[in-house]
Amino acid sequence: GAVVSQHPSWVICKSGTSVKIECRSLDFQATTMFWYRQFPKQSLMLMATSNEGSKATYEQGVEKDKFLINHASLTLSTLTVTSAHPEDSSFYICSARRRAGGASEAFFGQGTRLTVV
Amino acid sequence: GNSVTQMEGPVTLSEEAFLTINCTYTATGYPSLFWYVQYPGEGLQLLLKATKADDKGSNKGFEATYRKETTSFHLEKGSVQVSDSAVYFCALSEKGQGAQKLVFGQGTRLTINP
Repeated sequence: GAVVSQHPSWVICKSGTSVKIECRSLDFQATTMFWYRQFPKQSLMLMATSNEGSKATYEQGVEKDKFLINHASLTLSTLTVTSAHPEDSSFYICSARRRAGGASEAFFGQGTRLTVV
Repeated sequence: GNSVTQMEGPVTLSEEAFLTINCTYTATGYPSLFWYVQYPGEGLQLLLKATKADDKGSNKGFEATYRKETTSFHLEKGSVQVSDSAVYFCALSEKGQGAQKLVFGQGTRLTINP
């Protein structure tokens, strides 16, 4: 199957600093990428939908100035957590859809565990 | 809005036992339904899917049938193996903002003991 690579797989940062997480589709072009957040023992919550070349669409309650998403190419989307605080500590997961269209399968990265101290 | 409710875990079974993980959904319209599996240290992988009522998705011995009348998509396997230990997510797709979005259940952690 298609491969989506997320980097880093884990990161620890100090409160007030910013952290960038990368999501790459390694062997296909992805016009749409999704960013999720997963709290312990809870489901994946969609944060935003990222379309290549345009602004991301954020879900209700997600601060777009805090979670900056950039989808500059068909194979790369980045999520930057700005001025991170301990409550931002979580597991962040991206997924990417093939260029083929909205009904195509979504492939997931392995996730990034962010700890803010 | 749309939502997915999964059987709470964790679930622990012995090898070769029968597995059922319940999943029910609430949706407007006719969503597609999915089961994803997350092995330790890995990303989610699509396990199986069904796109319309009465469809049965199957893969690796797992099965789930799209039941519109009970709004359910329960996951079953007749004989589980240790390698099936993972977290299982039920999900539905909904159209939003021009792209199909996935709505997930909370996940069920499955542990199979030898």
